[in-house]
Amino acid sequence: DVKVTQSSRYLVKRTGEKVFLECVQDMDHENMFWYRQDPGLGLRLIYFSYDVKMKEKGDIPEGYSVSREKKERFSLILESASTNQTSMYLCASRRDGNYGYTFGSGTRLTVV
Amino acid sequence: TQLLEQSPQFLSIQEGENLTVYCNSSSVFSSLQWYRQEPGEGPVLLVTVVTGGEVKKLKRLTFQFGDARKDSSLHITAAQTGDTGLYLCAAAVANKFYFGSGTKLNVKP
Repeated sequence: DVKVTQSSRYLVKRTGEKVFLECVQDMDHENMFWYRQDPGLGLRLIYFSYDVKMKEKGDIPEGYSVSREKKERFSLILESASTNQTSMYLCASRRDGNYGYTFGSGTRLTVV
Repeated sequence: TQLLEQSPQFLSIQEGENLTVYCNSSSVFSSLQWYRQEPGEGPVLLVTVVTGGEVKKLKRLTFQFGDARKDSSLHITAAQTGDTGLYLCAAAVANKFYFGSGTKLNVKP
């Protein structure tokens, strides 16, 4: 069964902490994505990557960075967590072409 | 303003009823996708539509892509409680995928 695995389902972090969210896919997909999902705002794209060591800003990259050192792994980093980054974070991967996303189960991050 | 507008935002119906949800835009898309998301989980792909006017069926779910490729609809026949969830449409513009804010469906027994 093909999978996107996010390292944590729930996280609670303090304001100012550096936070790492890890995502691994086993489908050899070229493209990987990080979204956040908030009530009333839908899914918003933070960063995406179409190849190893490549990254592109999405619509809301401020306060975040990413790392893709290996094809299967895409990490989201919150450099200094703030309360407005409390959200559901979703990782996804996709093959090139008209193919859909495969999403992970999400990480619900609370920053206190 | 969202690129993709979904309506209605919320829908609560009894088991056995039919329903249609909509995904509209002023942009033309090369393809459009529908996902269902259950609480606490990531969205799961239901279908991809590519050709204007295309109709795809997945058991009791019928998906249609508008002739002009700007809109789509999802029709559910004889809804079941297992259809409860958030239905999202998504489309690509310039290699970025955008999601609508979704229709939250609750099917009551």
